[in-house]
Amino acid sequence: KQEVTQIPAALSVPEGENLVLNCSFTDSAIYNLQWFRQDPGKGLTSLLLIQSSQREQTSGRLNASLDKSSGRSTLYIAASQPGDSATYLCAVSGGAQKLVFGQGTRLTINP
Amino acid sequence: DTAVSQTPKYLVTQMGNDKSIKCEQNLGHDTMYWYKQDSKKFLKIMFSYNNKELIINETVPNRFSPKSPDKAHLNLHINSLELGDSAVYFCASSQDRASGKDTQYFGPGTRLTVL
Repeated sequence: KQEVTQIPAALSVPEGENLVLNCSFTDSAIYNLQWFRQDPGKGLTSLLLIQSSQREQTSGRLNASLDKSSGRSTLYIAASQPGDSATYLCAVSGGAQKLVFGQGTRLTINP
Repeated sequence: DTAVSQTPKYLVTQMGNDKSIKCEQNLGHDTMYWYKQDSKKFLKIMFSYNNKELIINETVPNRFSPKSPDKAHLNLHINSLELGDSAVYFCASSQDRASGKDTQYFGPGTRLTVL
């Protein structure tokens, strides 16, 4: 059974810092991995999707990496801004086309 | 031009009632999903439909019955509501995996409160 863990559960950093969010999964037989952000009381916004054959994906200030064999992914956020404050969720998709989510990392960027 | 929409946004009801949540996507996707986010914010898959056919049913009580009248709609009907059903329910959609573009897009959620 796939399990996804995100560390840390919460993170608070000053504006302008670069930061890394971590995600690990127990079953390396994944099809892809997706990073989302969720603002309080809102739905999920897809940030990046990495196929199992890829090592990383970039979108603006975001860079996600994937090491399938070790069951790890990281989300790197450069030059953080207060608007980046949200909960970041990592999810993996395996044999069935469904997402298994981690518990999320609640990120606060302090002005 | 909302991609994935859900109605209602909030639903407050008494235990034992029957209620429905509707979901529509205008992205032309083949696959739609229902997820449940509990009070601890943990998101878990409930159902998935591909071209109106049920493909995933994650041991959800049979009080929950999804219905897909067409590819663009996936509704969730809940019978005999219980206190433990209180949660936020998210609908999502994606292309079929075979397309290689199976990013899942989520609706805004329906917050269900059972009293």
